[in-house]
Amino acid sequence: DAGVTQSPTHLIKTRGQQVTLRCSPKSGHDTVSWYQQALGQGPQFIFQYYEEEERQRGNFPDRFSGHQFPNYSSELNVNALLLGDSALYLCASSSDVNTEAFFGQGTRLTVV
Amino acid sequence: EDQVTQSPEALRLQEGESSSLNCSYTVSGLRGLFWYRQDPGKGPEFLFTLYSAGEEKEKERLKATLTKKESFLHITAPKPEDSATYLCAVQAGWDSGNTPLVFGKGTRLSVIA
Repeated sequence: DAGVTQSPTHLIKTRGQQVTLRCSPKSGHDTVSWYQQALGQGPQFIFQYYEEEERQRGNFPDRFSGHQFPNYSSELNVNALLLGDSALYLCASSSDVNTEAFFGQGTRLTVV
Repeated sequence: EDQVTQSPEALRLQEGESSSLNCSYTVSGLRGLFWYRQDPGKGPEFLFTLYSAGEEKEKERLKATLTKKESFLHITAPKPEDSATYLCAVQAGWDSGNTPLVFGKGTRLSVIA
């Protein structure tokens, strides 16, 4: 079992650009949640996908959007990047039956 | 609003010196309390889930306990490889499906040989 995998591991973008991050959930999991973690802070919930629909959303602007595919994998898109978007982006997968969430290794995004 | 407060922010222990990390929470109906370990630049690693007051779980040198207002992560005879940030999170509500996790800022543990 490969667990939750994220790509890429590191990314450097310029202000105003757009970025797409990818996540493959743990085998058997159908729910994918995305979190943003700033340095020295706990992860903050961005949104959750289930059955290819955004089911819940945290306090993040519309510049953050996502998608879930039929194989349960997911993408996080961020438009018009700001310096403040620099963070570790974490994907967590879980099953709708069992609430335990398992995280990927994260994507470190740096906006310059 | 659901909140999680962890203390202390940082803890430095000598190898073998046991201690406890605290996680205080306020939540509208606790569904579960989670402990994770996070190494620098990596994703959180799942440790425990606790569901009801009085519940305890153990894994190697770690033991997690839960009351109605807080959880403790007890570390017995720690080793340098236990050095990491320990995150506490709560999941609230009993709506269908998974509600999001609300995290504390973590406790940064350093164990010195």
